[in-house]
Amino acid sequence: LLLQESGPGLVKPSETLSLTCSVSGGSISSNSYYWGWIRQPPGKGLEWIGSIYYSGNTYYNPSLKSRVTISVDTSKNQFSLKLNSVTAADTAVYYCARHVGVATIDYWGQGTLVTVSS
Amino acid sequence: NFMLTQPHSVSESPGKTVTISCTRSSGSIADNYVQWYQQRPGSSPTTVIYEDNQRPSGVPDRFSGSIDSSSNSASLTISGLKTEDEADYYCQSYGSSIWVFGGGTKLTVL
Repeated sequence: LLLQESGPGLVKPSETLSLTCSVSGGSISSNSYYWGWIRQPPGKGLEWIGSIYYSGNTYYNPSLKSRVTISVDTSKNQFSLKLNSVTAADTAVYYCARHVGVATIDYWGQGTLVTVSS
Repeated sequence: NFMLTQPHSVSESPGKTVTISCTRSSGSIADNYVQWYQQRPGSSPTTVIYEDNQRPSGVPDRFSGSIDSSSNSASLTISGLKTEDEADYYCQSYGSSIWVFGGGTKLTVL
């Protein structure tokens, strides 16, 4: 299974960060898995952003919930992240990942650095 | 919501044993599985322990996990330390529809 993040590496403050995760080697529609986004600011720890089930049920970090939307496109085997009203504090490496049920994350993307700057 | 608290850093010599703790702030540590991830600089995290004490294939048996309900914490123990074990380690668990990571522990093998 491969997960690959794609999207702009530079976003202006107050704008919307948009990333897509393309899944290959397996179906995003499997009923055993959740698909999530995790970020890591430079030099800091991991922060769960949110996750989605293939049916469309979403789960968000309460601290980001007002700004985050995660969606899934089963026809393209992709899921996406939108984070609006970004600031410099949103600068981070963004990873997409697969959860096995509500337990472990067993596959991670390679991560993509998104910098928020004018 | 709950938090997972880890020590900032630990260090130990090659060949020795080190234990990294992960304390859950509210709710029982036994309510949901704890996972442990290893992250080397510039790389994505990888799982070294899942479901409290299970090792993925390919992870050496020097890595072990446990939970302790009396201290409401989980632990990752690495025995026979090797220089290649030097990395950041994160615990992670789930509860009330949220996934939570600990702050991470930097392991130095010197």
